[in-house]
Amino acid sequence: AQSVTQPDIHITVSEGASLELRCNYSYGATPYLFWYVQSPGQGLQLLLKYFSGDTLVQGIKGFEAEFKRSQSSFNLRKPSVHWSDAAEYFCAVAFNDYKLSFGAGTTVTVRA
Amino acid sequence: DAGVIQSPRHEVTEMGQEVTLRCKPISGHNSLFWYRQTMMRGLELLIYFNNNVPIDDSGMPEDRFSAKMPNASFSTLKIQPSEPRDSAVYFCASTPPGRYGYTFGSGTRLTVV
Repeated sequence: AQSVTQPDIHITVSEGASLELRCNYSYGATPYLFWYVQSPGQGLQLLLKYFSGDTLVQGIKGFEAEFKRSQSSFNLRKPSVHWSDAAEYFCAVAFNDYKLSFGAGTTVTVRA
Repeated sequence: DAGVIQSPRHEVTEMGQEVTLRCKPISGHNSLFWYRQTMMRGLELLIYFNNNVPIDDSGMPEDRFSAKMPNASFSTLKIQPSEPRDSAVYFCASTPPGRYGYTFGSGTRLTVV
């Protein structure tokens, strides 16, 4: 069965520290990959996406993600976290259609 | 660009009542999606329209749920009769032709008491 796994339910990070959020997928082939962010009471905003080509993808708000085919992973990173990055982050995949399947999400707390 | 517009933002209704959620996709977007978000189940795709035609409604939980897209600029999700377990945030999203990655609306928080 196709699935998206975000192993970390909650991560706490200090402001200015680096952040890495993990995402693994289980599909027969390489899907299209996405990261979304959701602030409290808000909709989901697209941070970045990977379709093909360079496996290191740059997104908005200083985020980047790296696709590793051998590990079926698409981890999200930010070198220096700001307090405004506190939110919930969702990894999502699409495969040959426009439907997105989402992971369970990782909540990021930023401490001063 | 006003983005995907959903109304109402919040809805509180009594069990058994009919509830209608509304969505206006971004102009030029031809695919529209309804999602439901709950703590227990996360984000679930309910139904997906392409060019106003329902393509996949396998996520609609039961016959109490129905969705329509009468034209390219408007869609509704109706629950009749509503039940407390329908309480959730309902999101609408749209995407342009041939493009992946949605633009989401701000959602409708539904509470059924």
